[in-house]
Amino acid sequence: DVKVTQSSRYLVKRTGEKVFLECVQDMDHENMFWYRQDPGLGLRLIYFSYDVKMKEKGDIPEGYSVSREKKERFSLILESASTNQTSMYLCASSSPGGNTGELFFGEGSRLTVL
Amino acid sequence: GDSVTQMEGPVTLSEEAFLTINCTYTATGYPSLFWYVQYPGEGLQLLLKATKADDKGSNKGFEATYRKETTSFHLEKGSVQVSDSAVYFCALSANNFNKFYFGSGTKLNVKP
Repeated sequence: DVKVTQSSRYLVKRTGEKVFLECVQDMDHENMFWYRQDPGLGLRLIYFSYDVKMKEKGDIPEGYSVSREKKERFSLILESASTNQTSMYLCASSSPGGNTGELFFGEGSRLTVL
Repeated sequence: GDSVTQMEGPVTLSEEAFLTINCTYTATGYPSLFWYVQYPGEGLQLLLKATKADDKGSNKGFEATYRKETTSFHLEKGSVQVSDSAVYFCALSANNFNKFYFGSGTKLNVKP
């Protein structure tokens, strides 16, 4: 079974803490994505990466950074967590081109910032 | 820019009722269109897709037709089941699947 694994399902952090969300995929996909999911707003793209060490800002990158040192791993970093970053974070991967275009998602990481 | 608009929820139906969830899009070029489903406590998974105009995607009794003239990709099912209760997301992908745009999601509740 293809798999995207997010390291933590639930996290509770305090304002100002540094937060790492880890994502690993076992499908050798070039593309990896971090989305934020909020009620009524759907999924909003934070960052995506199309290759190792390559990254592009999505629609809401402010307050976030990412790291992709290996092809299978894509990390989302909140340098100084704030309460408005309380949300569900979804990692996904895909293979560009071809004829599928399917995004494979992890189960999500629900972050609460107090 | 590219975007997707889908009907607000929640949608509440009785078992065996007919389902339609509306989705319209704005895009330059020729996007691919998708419906993803999110069951409670899970990530999103692909339900169906269509990659060109007039294509019909189908899976698990759900169908959607890519209508270029109305820029729509409405999701339909003839007879819903309680197990179809989930959140449904319409999405489009442009630029060779490097970027995806999602609608706000529609929650479906099916009552026995």
